[in-house]
Amino acid sequence: DAKTTQPPSMDCAEGRAANLPCNHSTISGNEYVYWYRQIHSQGPQYIIHGLKNNETNEMASLIITEDRKSSTLILPHATLRDTAVYYCIVRVNTGNQFYFGTGTSLTVIP
Amino acid sequence: EPEVTQTPSHQVTQMGQEVILRCVPISNHLYFYWYRQILGQKVEFLVSFYNNEISEKSEIFDDQFSVERPDGSNFTLKIRSTKLEDSAMYFCASSERGQGYSPLHFGNGTRLTVT
Repeated sequence: DAKTTQPPSMDCAEGRAANLPCNHSTISGNEYVYWYRQIHSQGPQYIIHGLKNNETNEMASLIITEDRKSSTLILPHATLRDTAVYYCIVRVNTGNQFYFGTGTSLTVIP
Repeated sequence: EPEVTQTPSHQVTQMGQEVILRCVPISNHLYFYWYRQILGQKVEFLVSFYNNEISEKSEIFDDQFSVERPDGSNFTLKIRSTKLEDSAMYFCASSERGQGYSPLHFGNGTRLTVT
């Protein structure tokens, strides 16, 4: 599976959009980009995923560059409850495993 | 919204004892997984399970570990003879399909403490 690179930490003001970048320059054509988050020691929570097109759901938006070498997770109006570690993961279509890196620790500031 | 449930939330055991961690995956899901997270470290893959057999396992999943789906709803992880280094959060997950487009949904974990 392709390796991902994320900044170790970010801050965001409450109510503002949080934009979390991820680099996956070695991604191959059949690998999906997934985003999860983990609040304290709770289980990883699924946020969103995509292959080529941008995606949006009730939690977030995922913007994937045209060359698919990077992506951005957007939380449109961050709240204090969005403080968590956010993981960007690429997953091969036929693979059963997710490889979690160290993620980005997002702190939403009042 | 359906969710993965795990019991117990916290298990304390003595070194050398056997433990069974239990999980109820989401009902229409066909693929099941165990991950673990040692305190302060990354979430690590242990094993995936489909059609009543292991489909993939990591190097961590040695002969001390086993998984089972004893009935139509439960999915268990057994550690035969626990070691101090088995202390970790253990997360169960399930997915509807095994392909890359099918997200994994995780439970909130069992904290295993081996003394």
